[in-house]
Amino acid sequence: GAVVSQHPSWVICKSGTSVKIECRSLDFQATTMFWYRQFPKQSLMLMATSNEGSKATYEQGVEKDKFLINHASLTLSTLTVTSAHPEDSSFYICSARGPLRWNTEAFFGQGTRLTVV
Amino acid sequence: KQEVTQIPAALSVPEGENLVLNCSFTDSAIYNLQWFRQDPGKGLTSLLLIQSSQREQTSGRLNASLDKSSGRSTLYIAASQPGDSATYLCAGKNRDDKIIFGKGTRLHILP
Repeated sequence: GAVVSQHPSWVICKSGTSVKIECRSLDFQATTMFWYRQFPKQSLMLMATSNEGSKATYEQGVEKDKFLINHASLTLSTLTVTSAHPEDSSFYICSARGPLRWNTEAFFGQGTRLTVV
Repeated sequence: KQEVTQIPAALSVPEGENLVLNCSFTDSAIYNLQWFRQDPGKGLTSLLLIQSSQREQTSGRLNASLDKSSGRSTLYIAASQPGDSATYLCAGKNRDDKIIFGKGTRLHILP
């Protein structure tokens, strides 16, 4: 399958600072990328969907000004957690898929463990 | 709105046994269903993907089925091994292109 690389795999930051997480599709053009969050012993919850060159669509309850998503190219999307607080500590995973929409498999990154202290 | 439910939440079985993990979904207009494995603190490993036009997929000791009419999928693991211990997630892809995950089944294979 295709490869999606997520970086960093883990990060510790101080409360009030911002953290950027990168998601790259290495061998295909990702027209759409998805960002998920997973709290301990919970399932993955979709945060937002981003299409290349347009604004991200956020799920209900996700603050778009806090979780900034940029999908400026067909191979890169970034999630920036602004003014991070301890409650933002979580496992963030991105997913990417190519241009054929309905039956195209989405591929997942390795995830980023964010700890805010 | 699509909802995905996995039962049981946790399961322990002796090594060597065959087992079935269950997944149900509310919206039968599903485009595909995927089973993942997640080890503690790690990302997702895709196991099997079943398109809406398919009934099952097989990979090694794993077999996944899909019954859209009843809103169910099962993951069958044959001859379980301690290395199969992990959380197994079921996820359905909707008509709106979103992938909705179940809460997972934590599987523990007893040596």
